[in-house]
Amino acid sequence: NAGVMQNPRHLVRRRGQEARLRCSPMKGHSHVYWYRQLPEEGLKFMVYLQKENIIDESGMPKERFSAEFPKEGPSILRIQQVVRGDSAAYFCASSLTGEGNQPQHFGDGTRLSIL
Amino acid sequence: GNSVTQMEGPVTLSEEAFLTINCTYTATGYPSLFWYVQYPGEGLQLLLKATKADDKGSNKGFEATYRKETTSFHLEKGSVQVSDSAVYFCALSKETSGSRLTFGEGTQLTVNP
Repeated sequence: NAGVMQNPRHLVRRRGQEARLRCSPMKGHSHVYWYRQLPEEGLKFMVYLQKENIIDESGMPKERFSAEFPKEGPSILRIQQVVRGDSAAYFCASSLTGEGNQPQHFGDGTRLSIL
Repeated sequence: GNSVTQMEGPVTLSEEAFLTINCTYTATGYPSLFWYVQYPGEGLQLLLKATKADDKGSNKGFEATYRKETTSFHLEKGSVQVSDSAVYFCALSKETSGSRLTFGEGTQLTVNP
Protein backbone atom coordinates (compact mmCIF):
# COMPACT_ATOMS: atom_id res chain seq x y z
CA ASN A 1 0.00 0.00 0.00
CA ALA A 2 1.63 3.22 -1.17
CA GLY A 3 -0.85 5.50 0.60
CA VAL A 4 -0.21 8.01 3.38
CA MET A 5 0.79 6.13 6.52
CA GLN A 6 0.23 7.52 9.99
CA ASN A 7 1.19 6.01 13.31
CA PRO A 8 0.19 5.34 15.88
CA ARG A 9 -3.52 5.00 15.08
CA HIS A 10 -4.41 5.63 18.71
CA LEU A 11 -2.33 7.39 21.34
CA VAL A 12 -3.18 7.90 25.00
CA ARG A 13 -1.24 10.40 27.08
CA ARG A 14 -1.61 11.90 30.53
CA ARG A 15 -1.71 15.64 30.98
CA GLY A 16 1.80 17.11 30.87
CA GLN A 17 3.31 14.34 28.74
CA GLU A 18 4.57 14.67 25.18
CA ALA A 19 2.84 13.27 22.10
CA ARG A 20 4.65 12.45 18.86
CA LEU A 21 2.63 11.73 15.75
CA ARG A 22 4.30 10.38 12.62
CA CYS A 23 3.35 10.62 8.97
CA SER A 24 4.93 9.05 5.91
CA PRO A 25 3.59 10.65 2.70
CA MET A 26 2.67 8.81 -0.45
CA LYS A 27 5.63 7.65 -2.47
CA GLY A 28 6.99 10.51 -4.54
CA HIS A 29 5.14 13.21 -2.56
CA SER A 30 7.23 15.87 -0.86
CA HIS A 31 4.41 18.16 0.32
CA VAL A 32 2.85 17.34 3.69
CA TYR A 33 -0.07 18.96 5.51
CA TRP A 34 -1.33 18.39 9.05
CA TYR A 35 -4.97 18.93 10.04
CA ARG A 36 -6.80 18.58 13.34
CA GLN A 37 -10.37 17.34 13.71
CA LEU A 38 -12.08 18.07 17.00
CA PRO A 39 -15.12 15.95 17.93
CA GLU A 40 -18.16 16.66 15.74
CA GLU A 41 -16.25 19.28 13.74
CA GLY A 42 -14.58 19.60 10.37
CA LEU A 43 -10.86 19.54 9.76
CA LYS A 44 -8.77 22.60 10.52
CA PHE A 45 -5.42 23.28 8.85
CA MET A 46 -2.38 23.33 11.11
CA VAL A 47 0.85 23.33 9.10
CA TYR A 48 2.28 22.76 5.62
CA LEU A 49 5.79 21.40 5.14
CA GLN A 50 8.11 20.43 2.36
CA LYS A 51 11.26 18.43 2.91
CA GLU A 52 13.29 20.18 5.63
CA ASN A 53 11.16 23.35 5.41
CA ILE A 54 8.08 24.70 7.14
CA ILE A 55 6.17 26.62 4.48
CA ASP A 56 3.03 27.71 6.36
CA GLU A 57 2.43 27.23 10.08
CA SER A 58 -0.31 29.80 10.44
CA GLY A 59 -2.75 27.21 11.81
CA MET A 60 -0.47 25.94 14.55
CA PRO A 61 -1.01 27.00 18.17
CA LYS A 62 1.83 29.30 19.16
CA GLU A 63 2.94 27.22 22.12
CA ARG A 64 3.61 23.52 22.70
CA PHE A 65 3.12 22.46 19.06
CA SER A 66 5.89 21.92 16.54
CA ALA A 67 6.31 20.06 13.28
CA GLU A 68 9.19 18.86 11.14
CA PHE A 69 9.76 16.98 7.92
CA PRO A 70 13.39 15.90 7.81
CA LYS A 71 15.35 14.96 4.72
CA GLU A 72 15.10 11.32 5.75
CA GLY A 73 12.16 9.79 7.55
CA PRO A 74 8.58 10.72 8.29
CA SER A 75 7.07 14.05 9.18
CA ILE A 76 6.57 14.49 12.93
CA LEU A 77 3.94 16.53 14.74
CA ARG A 78 5.03 17.07 18.32
CA ILE A 79 2.82 18.28 21.16
CA GLN A 80 4.55 19.08 24.42
CA GLN A 81 2.87 19.19 27.84
CA VAL A 82 -0.44 17.96 26.49
CA VAL A 83 -3.73 19.21 27.91
CA ARG A 84 -7.26 17.79 27.71
CA GLY A 85 -8.14 20.18 24.90
CA ASP A 86 -5.54 18.52 22.66
CA SER A 87 -7.75 15.42 22.42
CA ALA A 88 -8.64 15.14 18.75
CA ALA A 89 -7.96 13.23 15.56
CA TYR A 90 -4.86 14.45 13.75
CA PHE A 91 -4.70 13.83 10.02
CA CYS A 92 -1.77 14.07 7.69
CA ALA A 93 -2.16 14.61 3.96
CA SER A 94 0.33 14.70 1.12
CA SER A 95 0.31 16.02 -2.41
CA LEU A 96 2.56 15.68 -5.40
CA THR A 97 3.14 19.31 -6.32
CA GLY A 98 1.62 21.49 -3.61
CA GLU A 99 -0.48 23.30 -6.22
CA GLY A 100 -3.98 24.27 -5.13
CA ASN A 101 -5.68 22.31 -7.89
CA GLN A 102 -4.03 19.04 -6.90
CA PRO A 103 -5.89 16.76 -4.48
CA GLN A 104 -4.44 15.98 -1.10
CA HIS A 105 -4.32 12.34 -0.06
CA PHE A 106 -5.09 11.60 3.57
CA GLY A 107 -3.88 9.04 6.07
CA ASP A 108 -6.22 7.30 8.50
CA GLY A 109 -5.27 9.67 11.29
CA THR A 110 -3.99 9.44 14.85
CA ARG A 111 -6.63 9.65 17.54
CA LEU A 112 -5.09 11.34 20.55
CA SER A 113 -6.75 10.96 23.95
CA ILE A 114 -5.57 12.89 26.97
CA LEU A 115 -6.37 11.47 30.40
CA GLY B 1 -10.82 34.92 4.37
CA ASN B 2 -11.88 31.69 2.74
CA SER B 3 -14.81 29.72 4.11
CA VAL B 4 -17.07 26.81 3.21
CA THR B 5 -20.63 26.34 4.42
CA GLN B 6 -22.40 22.99 4.18
CA MET B 7 -26.00 22.12 4.86
CA GLU B 8 -26.46 20.93 8.37
CA GLY B 9 -26.97 17.26 9.02
CA PRO B 10 -27.56 14.63 9.83
CA VAL B 11 -29.30 13.49 6.67
CA THR B 12 -31.22 10.21 6.72
CA LEU B 13 -32.48 8.66 3.49
CA SER B 14 -33.93 5.39 2.32
CA GLU B 15 -32.01 3.29 -0.19
CA GLU B 16 -32.44 4.48 -3.81
CA ALA B 17 -33.50 7.98 -2.73
CA PHE B 18 -32.07 11.11 -4.37
CA LEU B 19 -29.31 12.89 -2.46
CA THR B 20 -28.38 16.57 -2.41
CA ILE B 21 -25.88 18.05 0.03
CA ASN B 22 -25.55 21.80 -0.37
CA CYS B 23 -22.20 23.54 -0.27
CA THR B 24 -21.44 27.23 -0.76
CA TYR B 25 -18.10 28.97 -0.47
CA THR B 26 -16.50 32.36 0.03
CA ALA B 27 -13.15 32.97 -1.61
CA THR B 28 -11.40 35.46 -3.84
CA GLY B 29 -10.10 34.44 -7.23
CA TYR B 30 -10.63 30.97 -8.61
CA PRO B 31 -10.39 28.28 -5.97
CA SER B 32 -10.46 24.57 -6.66
CA LEU B 33 -13.36 22.71 -5.06
CA PHE B 34 -13.45 19.20 -3.62
CA TRP B 35 -15.75 16.71 -1.99
CA TYR B 36 -14.19 14.26 0.43
CA VAL B 37 -15.88 11.32 2.17
CA GLN B 38 -14.96 9.92 5.58
CA TYR B 39 -16.04 6.46 6.71
CA PRO B 40 -16.03 5.67 10.45
CA GLY B 41 -12.55 5.39 11.90
CA GLU B 42 -10.85 6.28 8.63
CA GLY B 43 -9.24 9.24 6.95
CA LEU B 44 -10.72 11.32 4.19
CA GLN B 45 -10.96 9.98 0.68
CA LEU B 46 -11.24 12.24 -2.33
CA LEU B 47 -14.65 11.76 -3.93
CA LEU B 48 -14.51 14.31 -6.74
CA LYS B 49 -13.10 17.69 -7.66
CA ALA B 50 -13.55 20.65 -10.01
CA THR B 51 -10.89 23.24 -10.72
CA LYS B 52 -12.69 25.89 -12.76
CA ALA B 53 -16.13 27.40 -13.25
CA ASP B 54 -18.75 25.15 -14.89
CA ASP B 55 -16.58 22.04 -14.44
CA LYS B 56 -18.50 18.97 -13.31
CA GLY B 57 -16.75 16.48 -11.08
CA SER B 58 -18.13 12.96 -10.96
CA ASN B 59 -17.26 9.63 -9.37
CA LYS B 60 -19.17 6.53 -8.21
CA GLY B 61 -22.50 8.05 -9.23
CA PHE B 62 -21.86 11.31 -7.34
CA GLU B 63 -21.74 14.62 -9.19
CA ALA B 64 -21.08 18.26 -8.36
CA THR B 65 -20.87 21.30 -10.63
CA TYR B 66 -18.68 24.34 -9.92
CA ARG B 67 -21.08 27.31 -10.06
CA LYS B 68 -19.17 30.56 -9.77
CA GLU B 69 -22.26 32.76 -10.14
CA THR B 70 -23.83 31.21 -7.04
CA THR B 71 -20.51 30.25 -5.37
CA SER B 72 -21.83 26.72 -4.92
CA PHE B 73 -20.67 23.13 -5.36
CA HIS B 74 -23.65 20.99 -4.36
CA LEU B 75 -23.18 17.22 -4.19
CA GLU B 76 -25.82 15.00 -5.81
CA LYS B 77 -26.47 11.32 -6.36
CA GLY B 78 -29.50 9.90 -8.09
CA SER B 79 -29.86 6.70 -6.08
CA VAL B 80 -28.05 6.22 -2.77
CA GLN B 81 -27.00 2.89 -1.31
CA VAL B 82 -26.49 1.77 2.29
CA SER B 83 -22.76 1.74 1.61
CA ASP B 84 -22.87 5.51 0.96
CA SER B 85 -23.44 6.11 4.68
CA ALA B 86 -20.53 8.33 5.77
CA VAL B 87 -19.60 11.94 6.53
CA TYR B 88 -19.18 14.18 3.49
CA PHE B 89 -16.92 17.24 3.50
CA CYS B 90 -16.88 20.06 0.99
CA ALA B 91 -13.52 21.85 0.73
CA LEU B 92 -11.70 24.50 -1.27
CA SER B 93 -8.12 25.42 -1.95
CA LYS B 94 -6.69 28.49 -3.57
CA GLU B 95 -4.84 28.36 -6.83
CA THR B 96 -1.50 29.35 -5.37
CA SER B 97 1.17 26.87 -4.45
CA GLY B 98 1.06 25.10 -1.17
CA SER B 99 -2.57 25.83 -0.61
CA ARG B 100 -4.24 24.47 2.47
CA LEU B 101 -7.69 22.95 2.28
CA THR B 102 -10.51 24.86 3.94
CA PHE B 103 -13.28 22.47 4.96
CA GLY B 104 -16.95 22.74 5.69
CA GLU B 105 -18.26 21.25 8.92
CA GLY B 106 -19.24 17.96 7.30
CA THR B 107 -22.62 16.33 6.70
CA GLN B 108 -23.43 12.95 8.21
CA LEU B 109 -25.40 10.78 5.77
CA THR B 110 -27.20 7.64 6.88
CA VAL B 111 -28.89 5.44 4.29
CA ASN B 112 -31.38 2.87 5.57
CA PRO B 113 -32.24 -0.30 3.67
